[in-house]
Amino acid sequence: GNSVTQMEGPVTLSEEAFLTINCTYTATGYPSLFWYVQYPGEGLQLLLKATKADDKGSNKGFEATYRKETTSFHLEKGSVQVSDSAVYFCALSDRSNDYKLSFGAGTTVTVRA
Amino acid sequence: KAGVTQTPRYLIKTRGQQVTLSCSPISGHRSVSWYQQTPGQGLQFLFEYFSETQRNKGNFPGRFSGRQFSNSRSEMNVSTLELGDSALYLCASSTGQGGGYTFGSGTRLTVV
Repeated sequence: GNSVTQMEGPVTLSEEAFLTINCTYTATGYPSLFWYVQYPGEGLQLLLKATKADDKGSNKGFEATYRKETTSFHLEKGSVQVSDSAVYFCALSDRSNDYKLSFGAGTTVTVRA
Repeated sequence: KAGVTQTPRYLIKTRGQQVTLSCSPISGHRSVSWYQQTPGQGLQFLFEYFSETQRNKGNFPGRFSGRQFSNSRSEMNVSTLELGDSALYLCASSTGQGGGYTFGSGTRLTVV
């Protein structure tokens, strides 16, 4: 079946530091990959996505590249801000499972001024 | 275009009662999925409805049920509430054919 493993948190950083959250996946088909972000007290928002190998998703300074050879989709941001403090979820969906989303456990990121 | 609307935002119920939560998807989206989020268990998939039919189901007891109407709006019902049902319930809509999901803001259910 499908599964997603992401870096355990919590992660605490200083403003302007570099952020990486590792995400690897197992899928029976050829999945689409997503990063969602959840700010305190809110639902999930799509941060970025990639639908095929070597695609790079990017948004708000965050980037992730779909690496089929390593089954990974690591999230990176070069210079974090306090407003990036949130929980980040890696997820996948693929046709073999009716596109059902499979989520990682989530990584809590706290950025300090 | 309007996003995914979940109502109510907050709910307090007593053990043993039942509750119905509502989700209105993005116009044109035919799939609605429901998730339960708790600090201990994270995001857990409840079920998905596509064109009024349940297409996928997670590992929840029969007290959790749902349905979808012809306009794609979906409702989720929990009967005989237990303290452990306290959670944030999220719904997500999609076309049902890949491309990702859009989530609502959730309903925070507290069972006392």
